[in-house]
Amino acid sequence: DGGITQSPKYLFRKEGQNVTLSCEQNLNHDAMYWYRQDPGQGLRLIYYSQIVNDFQKGDIAEGYSVSREKKESFPLTVTSAQKNPTAFYLCASSINANSGANVLTFGAGSRLTVL
Amino acid sequence: GQNIDQPTEMTATEGAIVQINCTYQTSGFNGLFWYQQHAGEAPTFLSYNVLDGLEEKGRFSSFLSRSKGYSYLLLKELQMKDSASYLCAVMDSNYQLIWGAGTKLIIKP
Repeated sequence: DGGITQSPKYLFRKEGQNVTLSCEQNLNHDAMYWYRQDPGQGLRLIYYSQIVNDFQKGDIAEGYSVSREKKESFPLTVTSAQKNPTAFYLCASSINANSGANVLTFGAGSRLTVL
Repeated sequence: GQNIDQPTEMTATEGAIVQINCTYQTSGFNGLFWYQQHAGEAPTFLSYNVLDGLEEKGRFSSFLSRSKGYSYLLLKELQMKDSASYLCAVMDSNYQLIWGAGTKLIIKP
């Protein structure tokens, strides 16, 4: 079955450590996204990528980094520069980024807690 | 600025009907989406409206009025499994999605 796989589901990090969240899709989608979800707030876009080897900053990119070396993979690194990293992180993909009916398929999410 | 407003929480009874409203102010409009999200899980797509009017999909319907910047999601014959958060999102003129904070729907027997 096609879908998006995120790992790990739960992650604990000490302050000062970088962590990388994995996101893999087998939907053959061109576009991939990383969102952060905090209680009482809408989803906030961290980074997105429309094609391989290209990505753009979203609204809250500071303290995060990404790569898109393969169409299927879009890992997110949460660096020590991110001041408040505890959150639920959602990866998503879509057929392409620049169309109106741009339905997103989401992964199951990764919950990061900083100790 | 761009803004999406929806109620924080609603309660309804099993078997009843509930309407979840969403109002928006965005830079341009390329469509409005509704997603369902059960606690701790991924959002899943429910509906997409780009033209005014009502779109019906089984027990769920979504309405759009572009002139009023308003949409609602109508859920009929409520079931316990409909307990979830419902997210409203608008695609602006740059094809960026602007998300509301979500409405937590609690279904009581």
